[in-house]
Amino acid sequence: EAQVTQNPRYLITVTGKKLTVTCSQNMNHEYMSWYRQDPGLGLRQIYYSMNVEVTDKGDVPEGYKVSRKEKRNFPLILESPSPNQTSLYFCASSRNLGSYEQYFGPGTRLTVT
Amino acid sequence: KQEVTQIPAALSVPEGENLVLNCSFTDSAIYNLQWFRQDPGKGLTSLLLIQSSQREQTSGRLNASLDKSSGRSTLYIAASQPGDSATYLCAVSNQAGTALIFGKGTTLSVSS
Repeated sequence: EAQVTQNPRYLITVTGKKLTVTCSQNMNHEYMSWYRQDPGLGLRQIYYSMNVEVTDKGDVPEGYKVSRKEKRNFPLILESPSPNQTSLYFCASSRNLGSYEQYFGPGTRLTVT
Repeated sequence: KQEVTQIPAALSVPEGENLVLNCSFTDSAIYNLQWFRQDPGKGLTSLLLIQSSQREQTSGRLNASLDKSSGRSTLYIAASQPGDSATYLCAVSNQAGTALIFGKGTTLSVSS
């Protein structure tokens, strides 16, 4: 089944404790990205990757890192999480940039206390 | 900067009604427009993708139209069912094609 998977689905952590949210797709897609969803603010892009080893900032990249060492994986790293990073996170992928349909993962609900 | 607005923010209808959800965007330079469905606490399910050169797309009881020049899209749901209850999100690609810009959604409730 073609899909985008994320792990973990739920995470509660404390301020400053480094964490990684994994994202993997099995559709051989070139493009991957991360979004966060917050009440009243909607979905906003954090980072994106056009292909392996190429990543760039989205609208809200502060406090996040990403890497794209393999085509299928695009982990989101929070080096020192803070409470304002409490949010619902989504990974997405598509065949390429531009006009292609984007597919979203099931989401990771992160709480930072 | 591209802005996407969805009206209404919430909508309640009885089962069987036909309904229209609206989406407007400020910059007509888009690659495509995508409608998603989101159930509470769940991920986004893609419903319809309309390329910038297209006027509409249909899937089952759903029909989405795009008027790029006026910056508008509508999602038409025919014969609504309680299972259609969810939040519907409209998103347009930015000029570079590197991101989707989302509206805040319309939360639909269909009562039986």
